[in-house]
Amino acid sequence: NAGVTQTPKFRVLKTGQSMTLLCAQDMNHEYMYWYRQDPGMGLRLIHYSVGEGTTAKGEVPDGYNVSRLKKQNFLLGLESAAPSQTSVYFCASSYSRTGSRNEQFFGPGTRLTVL
Amino acid sequence: GIQVEQSPPDLILQEGANSTLRCNFSDSVNNLQWFHQNPWGQLINLFYIPSGTKQNGRLSATTVATERYSLLYISSSQTTDSGVYFCAADSNYQLIWGAGTKLIIKP
Repeated sequence: NAGVTQTPKFRVLKTGQSMTLLCAQDMNHEYMYWYRQDPGMGLRLIHYSVGEGTTAKGEVPDGYNVSRLKKQNFLLGLESAAPSQTSVYFCASSYSRTGSRNEQFFGPGTRLTVL
Repeated sequence: GIQVEQSPPDLILQEGANSTLRCNFSDSVNNLQWFHQNPWGQLINLFYIPSGTKQNGRLSATTVATERYSLLYISSSQTTDSGVYFCAADSNYQLIWGAGTKLIIKP
């Protein structure tokens, strides 16, 4: 049982390049989330998904797109990377929105640098 | 939207000391979680505690939902407790995070 995994762990991009971050969970969770963490701050929600085929915007969605084609995977895309997107990206999942099943579990993070 | 504030922002203690970290939130919440981010950046779930008290070894947490605060207690601190402690409160599908308390335990 791997929990939440993220690929890649590190990446360096040039301004204008594109990339996709992959998040996978093996806990059969319905809900998945993408966050970013900037230095000295807590996490901020980029996008989330409440089930396969659904996505919604979070607090800071601009410059990112997401897809949830399979229940276990949640992809985060940067179409044209900007230096302001340099950050650590965390994926999380939860079983549902009810009671303790609302608890979110996090992946190890992806450190992205945009030059 | 909901605001989450943590105090103190920094805390330096000797090994063996006890500490209390506080999290205030501005509105009622469905979910309140405490996390430890270790020096390697990994986020570790400590407690899911929208109300009441829970204990796990040397750590315990109490949330008083009616007064909109949560406390994390660390007893007999060890150097491995160092890192940043975050609380996060659920608001409309989003976990809103505090800025964290950076804890340094000196041997």
